[in-house]
Amino acid sequence: EPEVTQTPSHQVTQMGQEVILRCVPISNHLYFYWYRQILGQKVEFLVSFYNNEISEKSEIFDDQFSVERPDGSNFTLKIRSTKLEDSAMYFCASSEADRDKTEAFFGQGTRLTVV
Amino acid sequence: GQNIDQPTEMTATEGAIVQINCTYQTSGFNGLFWYQQHAGEAPTFLSYNVLDGLEEKGRFSSFLSRSKGYSYLLLKELQMKDSASYLCAVSSNDYKLSFGAGTTVTVRA
Repeated sequence: EPEVTQTPSHQVTQMGQEVILRCVPISNHLYFYWYRQILGQKVEFLVSFYNNEISEKSEIFDDQFSVERPDGSNFTLKIRSTKLEDSAMYFCASSEADRDKTEAFFGQGTRLTVV
Repeated sequence: GQNIDQPTEMTATEGAIVQINCTYQTSGFNGLFWYQQHAGEAPTFLSYNVLDGLEEKGRFSSFLSRSKGYSYLLLKELQMKDSASYLCAVSSNDYKLSFGAGTTVTVRA
């Protein structure tokens, strides 16, 4: 069964460093997303990406964050100048651009720990 | 903005039925989703409602009333493995999901 894959599963970084979280969405999906879940809190939308551009972003997704689709399969989230409060599980998701099949499928997540 | 409310915790006995309610107020509506999330894992898709009524899928059913901004997830014949967090999520017109805080269901023997 097709699945969204994310690497790495766990990333530890020092405060102020840049990290890149990687995702391979399901191949025939056209919408891509990044969500964040701080430990013990709800899943929060960060950004959606469609047709090679950002379609929507939340207030969390400020200039510290950027997304890129560098090739036909990868979808990355870059976090610059990481802060302690960026520590969270980051989920990538993808969905078909079909109003009858809009469910998003989530990757297993990257646990980011900023120390 | 989006406002999605669901109870924080519920406890039930193995073999029983549990109903998790969700109320929402959102700008734009393209469907309501229920996801299951075990601790430390990704949310996994359970159900999707875009029209009013009941959708049944095995032991799980989900109901939607758009006029009331209300949904519920019904879990029947509870099993120990159903112990998890259940997330109500609403899709706005651009397909992004806004999640509720989740309901932690504990199944006891």
